[in-house]
Amino acid sequence: GENVEQHPSTLSVQEGDSAVIKCTYSDSASNYFPWYKQELGKRPQLIIDIRSNVGEKKDQRIAVTLNKTAKHFSLHITETQPEDSAVYFCAAEELRGYSSASKIIFGSGTRLSIRP
Amino acid sequence: EAQVTQNPRYLITVTGKKLTVTCSQNMNHEYMSWYRQDPGLGLRQIYYSMNVEVTDKGDVPEGYKVSRKEKRNFPLILESPSPNQTSLYFCATLAQGGYGYTFGSGTRLTVV
Repeated sequence: GENVEQHPSTLSVQEGDSAVIKCTYSDSASNYFPWYKQELGKRPQLIIDIRSNVGEKKDQRIAVTLNKTAKHFSLHITETQPEDSAVYFCAAEELRGYSSASKIIFGSGTRLSIRP
Repeated sequence: EAQVTQNPRYLITVTGKKLTVTCSQNMNHEYMSWYRQDPGLGLRQIYYSMNVEVTDKGDVPEGYKVSRKEKRNFPLILESPSPNQTSLYFCATLAQGGYGYTFGSGTRLTVV
């Protein structure tokens, strides 16, 4: 089955600097890679996602890159701000259409802290 | 407003006392799932349901039961809770097509 590894488990960066979180997956059938942000005491929320037919996707200060050959994908946050402090989860999913169950496997999470 | 509602938010119980955590959604989603979140282990799937009356085990189903008698509700049942089930639980729904979960607000369960 799918296995998703996420690194680092904790990350501290100076406000204004960039942060990068990396994930690897094992199942080449995975074709959808969402990222979730979980602020302290709150629920995880989808912040960006990428499908396997795309190499990079950007949304303002957040970008995700995907290397299908190497089976890894990364989250990049530029110009970090205090509100970026949170736990970030990557996930890998094989979208099979609604006739079959989508299996989503989450990484173990990265706690990002932004130093003022 | 699209919502996934879990109750209760916090629960402290004793070993062996049956409990139910409720989950209700108003988005008409077919797919619902339960996860537990533990430090260093991320989110692990307990059970999922593709549609009414169809449920299946996730990665960590032991000690849990679910039911899906109607589309909007997906309760999680702990028949005989044990301390190793102390965790943060999330219900989640998945829109048709599978693009991204919507999570409930979570239930922090402590079993003593």
